[in-house]
Amino acid sequence: QVQLVQSGAEVKKPGASVKVSCETSGYTFTSYDIYWVRQATGQGLEWMGWMAPNSGGTGHAQRFRGRVTMTRNTSISTAYLELSSLRSEDTAVYYCARGLLGQQLVLVYWGQGTPVTVSS
Amino acid sequence: EIVMTQSPATLSVSPGERATLSCRASQSVDSHLAWYQQKIGQAPRLLIYGASTRATGIPARFSGSGSGTEFTLTISSLQSEDFAVYYCQQYNNWPALTFGGGTKVEIK
Repeated sequence: QVQLVQSGAEVKKPGASVKVSCETSGYTFTSYDIYWVRQATGQGLEWMGWMAPNSGGTGHAQRFRGRVTMTRNTSISTAYLELSSLRSEDTAVYYCARGLLGQQLVLVYWGQGTPVTVSS
Repeated sequence: EIVMTQSPATLSVSPGERATLSCRASQSVDSHLAWYQQKIGQAPRLLIYGASTRATGIPARFSGSGSGTEFTLTISSLQSEDFAVYYCQQYNNWPALTFGGGTKVEIK
């Protein structure tokens, strides 16, 4: 079965960086894009960006320009999200997700979420 | 950016009653609209895609309709496990996905 397992909770100081991992299994990692979505406490879902594991190509929402980096290690079927210059507003749960066969933008498989707290 | 607006923000419904949730897009997204259910402490769960296609394993009491800019999610007879927050998401504007602000369905 398809699984996306994320790394554990993080606590960071303002200005620092955080790197979240998303280990996948149960399918061919390079066949499906990985999407990153975050959710601040009590708030809605916010799309951050995507990565194509086969090529390493990425795209991200404008508001994260210059701060977000998405990478992958195909040998261990794992995707990574790194967010730099953290501020308190980045405190949220970060999710990775994968789409449906033939409809990659429909997010059917999700990681369990990684809580990131930014606090001095 | 396509803005998705959901209404109402909160819907109070008694078990067994019908719930109707709305989602409006700021410009046409054709039928590239999905609905998700999220419970506290859990990741979102896909319910509907293509505006009206139920995802695998989703009960028939969930149905979606609409196209263009106006969409509806209907839960025909609310069960206790359906009380949650529901989000719509457009995927017409690849690769940028946008979500609505959510509708909380609570017990009346």
